[in-house]
Amino acid sequence: QSALTQPASVSGSPGQSITISCTGTSSDVGAYKPVSWYQQNPGKAPKLVIYEVTKRPSGVSNRFSGSKSGNTASLTISGLQAEDEADYYCCSYAGSNTVLFGGGTKLTVL
Amino acid sequence: EVQLVESGGNLVQPGRSLRLSCAASGLTFDDYAMHWVRQAPGKGLEWVSGISWNGGDLGYADSVRGRFTISRDNARNSLYLQMDGLKTEDTAFYYCTKQYRGIRSGYSHLGLDAFDIWGQGTLVTVSS
Repeated sequence: QSALTQPASVSGSPGQSITISCTGTSSDVGAYKPVSWYQQNPGKAPKLVIYEVTKRPSGVSNRFSGSKSGNTASLTISGLQAEDEADYYCCSYAGSNTVLFGGGTKLTVL
Repeated sequence: EVQLVESGGNLVQPGRSLRLSCAASGLTFDDYAMHWVRQAPGKGLEWVSGISWNGGDLGYADSVRGRFTISRDNARNSLYLQMDGLKTEDTAFYYCTKQYRGIRSGYSHLGLDAFDIWGQGTLVTVSS
């Protein structure tokens, strides 16, 4: 069970778009539909922003979108805002009742 | 309002045991699979363990399998994590979280859904 691979950090200016990648294997990201993404602010619990690769829970801005190609899932945030600055984690089912998280990506809004 | 409240975190010596609890309110608890996720200070999220709505299916991370035991009491709307043989690397905030959709929505498989509600976490420190 190795963590999914995410870039340690990404940055962008307000109004720009950024994309965070999440690379797994054919046994997790590439095999299953339920890839999800979480936003975490310092000292707070994670918040679900994308589920089933592309879907947004009620109340999450439509500036957040998700996609997947092969063993790599991606989270895109468009129209970047200062409030988007946070840590982001991807998550995938990995078979046999187990789940994997990515290592996390720190988003800095310049 | 759906709430998950963890308790039981403490400072404990290596090799000792600790039991975490998670009290759920505002939801039909036995509808949902539940999980524990931990986060070492300054580090990323790590899934620890999960349990299906009726306790029939269990899952564990390799790092805790054989040492930790997850359980639930649907009559008490509670989730538990029994942690034995604790190691210093188990030091972390432990979060209780529920799967997004439940069996009444057709989502019964453990782990095959996102986590939508999280507790505030309880800190476990393993140190001599």
